[in-house]
Amino acid sequence: AAGVIQSPRHLIKEKRETATLKCYPIPRHDTVYWYQQGPGQDPQFLISFYEKMQSDKGSIPDRFSAQQFSDYHSELNMSSLELGDSALYFCASSRESSGVAKNIQYFGAGTRLSVL
Amino acid sequence: AQKITQTQPGMFVQEKEAVTLDCTYDTSDPSYGLFWYKQPSSGEMIFLIYQGSYDQQNATEGRYSLNFQKARKSANLVISASQLGDSAMYFCAMREGTPGANNLFFGTGTRLTVIP
Repeated sequence: AAGVIQSPRHLIKEKRETATLKCYPIPRHDTVYWYQQGPGQDPQFLISFYEKMQSDKGSIPDRFSAQQFSDYHSELNMSSLELGDSALYFCASSRESSGVAKNIQYFGAGTRLSVL
Repeated sequence: AQKITQTQPGMFVQEKEAVTLDCTYDTSDPSYGLFWYKQPSSGEMIFLIYQGSYDQQNATEGRYSLNFQKARKSANLVISASQLGDSAMYFCAMREGTPGANNLFFGTGTRLTVIP
C-alpha cells in the first residue's frame, strides 16, 4: 500500500539559510499535518491543511510557512534557520472527510534537518 | 496541564514475555481518540493501535492490545509474546474533538528493550 512520502530524507543547512521540505500524502487522503521532533523529544504539532486550506496551527515559528497544493502535496518552508531548528520533521496524512472519529494519521519516514 | 503522560522512560522485557506500557490522558472533551505509535531507531513513526472514547471494547491488533479504562483515563498498551524487533520507542497520543481538524498530542514516550 502507498505510504506518505517525504523528501529529502536528510538535509544539512547553515544558519540563516532556507529549507523546503516536501510531503506527498497517501492517495485520497485530504488532510496533511506537519510535526517537529527535537532530539530525545516527542513530536510537536506545527500546522495542518484540510482540502488545501490551513485547518489548524500549532507551535510553528513565524519563520516557517507551509501550503498544500492542488495535487494535495504539501511543502514546509523554513527561513533564517537557527541551530535549534535541527530536528526530525514529520508529515502525516489522514482522511478526515470519511466522517468517523478514527481518522488515523499515517506518518512519513521524516526529514532529518541538521543546521550547522 | 500535560494531555498525555507516560511515566516509564524505559522498560525491559524478556523475549516471548508480555509487557505493559502505561499511558494516562487528560481531556474534558467527551469525544477523543487514543493512539499508540512505535518509533524504531531508524526514526519512522509507525501506527500500532487506536481506541475511540466511545468504543465499548478494548482494541486489539495482532500482538497489540489496548487496556482502556475510561474512568481512570488510562490507555495502556499491552504487547504479548515480545520479539527482538519490538525494541523501540513507543508513544501514546491523543486527538480531541469530532472529526475534522485535530492534531495529535504525544506523550514523552517509553523506550522498550527486549532482552534475548
